[in-house]
Amino acid sequence: NAGVTQTPKFQVLKTGQSMTLQCAQDMNHEYMSWYRQDPGMGLRLIHYSVGAGITDQGEVPNGYNVSRSTTEDFPLRLLSAAPSQTSVYFCASSYGAGRSYEQYFGPGTRLTVT
Amino acid sequence: AQKVTQAQTEISVVEKEDVTLDCVYETRDTTYYLFWYKQPPSGELVFLIRRNSFDEQNEISGRYSWNFQKSTSSFNFTITASQVVDSAVYFCALSPGVYGNKLVFGAGTILRVKS
Repeated sequence: NAGVTQTPKFQVLKTGQSMTLQCAQDMNHEYMSWYRQDPGMGLRLIHYSVGAGITDQGEVPNGYNVSRSTTEDFPLRLLSAAPSQTSVYFCASSYGAGRSYEQYFGPGTRLTVT
Repeated sequence: AQKVTQAQTEISVVEKEDVTLDCVYETRDTTYYLFWYKQPPSGELVFLIRRNSFDEQNEISGRYSWNFQKSTSSFNFTITASQVVDSAVYFCALSPGVYGNKLVFGAGTILRVKS
């Protein structure tokens, strides 16, 4: 199993550009989520999904869109990048349906918006 | 509201010292999960432990131990005989509710272990 994979590992964007961060998992996990990590603030939940076709907002959803068309993939879209979105982004997955297992995190994507 | 406080921003110890990382949480849910994650300099997040709100037994895993006290809403983490490889950022996290899949993280504690 590859676990949770994220692409790209690094990205530099200009203000106003859009892009999609990719996340995939091969563990048949129902739950997937996106977090951002900023210095001194820990990780904060952006969006999450409890299954294909179902998504919901987390703590800091503004400026981001998600969709979940398959169990395996959960892309995060930045609609119009802003310098405040400079961060490290982590995708995570876990079992759902009432079973609580630890979340498996991807390696992260470091995004810089200039 | 859900909140996790890790009051220690940074701790420095010398190898072989014991060190305790503090974690205090707030939640109104009666069912919740608590986690500790390690983030080494390479940047990945490594799961260390999960504890549910109904299990207050302390846990020991090698040099690591965890003390969960509901009365003080704390879930502290102790490393015994620290090693240089323990140098990392450690995050405490809370997941309210029965599913335990949406994490609220503390700000993290940077642990530096010097040889």
